Amino acid sequence: GDSVTQMEGPVTLSEEAFLTINCTYTATGYPSLFWYVQYPGEGLQLLLKATKADDKGSNKGFEATYRKETTSFHLEKGSVQVSDSAVYFCALSLGAAGNKLTFGGGTRVLVKP
Amino acid sequence: SAVISQKPSRDICQRGTSLTIQCQVDSQVTMMFWYRQQPGQSLTLIATANQGSEATYESGFVIDKFPISRPNLTFSTLTVSNMSPEDSSIYLCSVVPSRGMNTEAFFGQGTRLTVV
Repeated sequence: GDSVTQMEGPVTLSEEAFLTINCTYTATGYPSLFWYVQYPGEGLQLLLKATKADDKGSNKGFEATYRKETTSFHLEKGSVQVSDSAVYFCALSLGAAGNKLTFGGGTRVLVKP
Repeated sequence: SAVISQKPSRDICQRGTSLTIQCQVDSQVTMMFWYRQQPGQSLTLIATANQGSEATYESGFVIDKFPISRPNLTFSTLTVSNMSPEDSSIYLCSVVPSRGMNTEAFFGQGTRLTVV
């Protein structure tokens, strides 16, 4: 079946450090790929997305590129802030499957000042 | 976009009882889903709420335990029946306004359920 694997956390960084969270997927078709973020005490919200190979999603300084050849969608940010402390979820959806999301396990990121 | 109101936001319930969670959307949406997030874990899809017909359940989830209603395109309920401590989780309503590849799912704030 479809699945998403992302690196386990927690990831602890200093402010202004470079962040990478690895995400790979297995899917029977051609999925759309998403990164969702859950800030402390808040609901889940979309961070960025990409719907086809080589697309780059970007938002709030975060970027991720849809790599079909490596079935990956790694999340990166060049200089993190304390406010980026959150849990990040990689997810996929297949339109043919009714747009339901399959999530990775989540990666907790803690940025220290 | 879609704004989702989910009630209650949290509850503490006795084992053996049932709790109904409501999800109200500010606009008509095509797809509605219910997810569970167990403590410290990721989100798992419980079921797709179908308007006017029975919900479609994922493997490991059954209608007797998680009955779902969706009477129209803006409202759904999830009931957690005959609760046990293992049902302690955050339950989230999610909507997708329209079908297709270039779509975004929106989530409610979740219902934090503790079963004692």
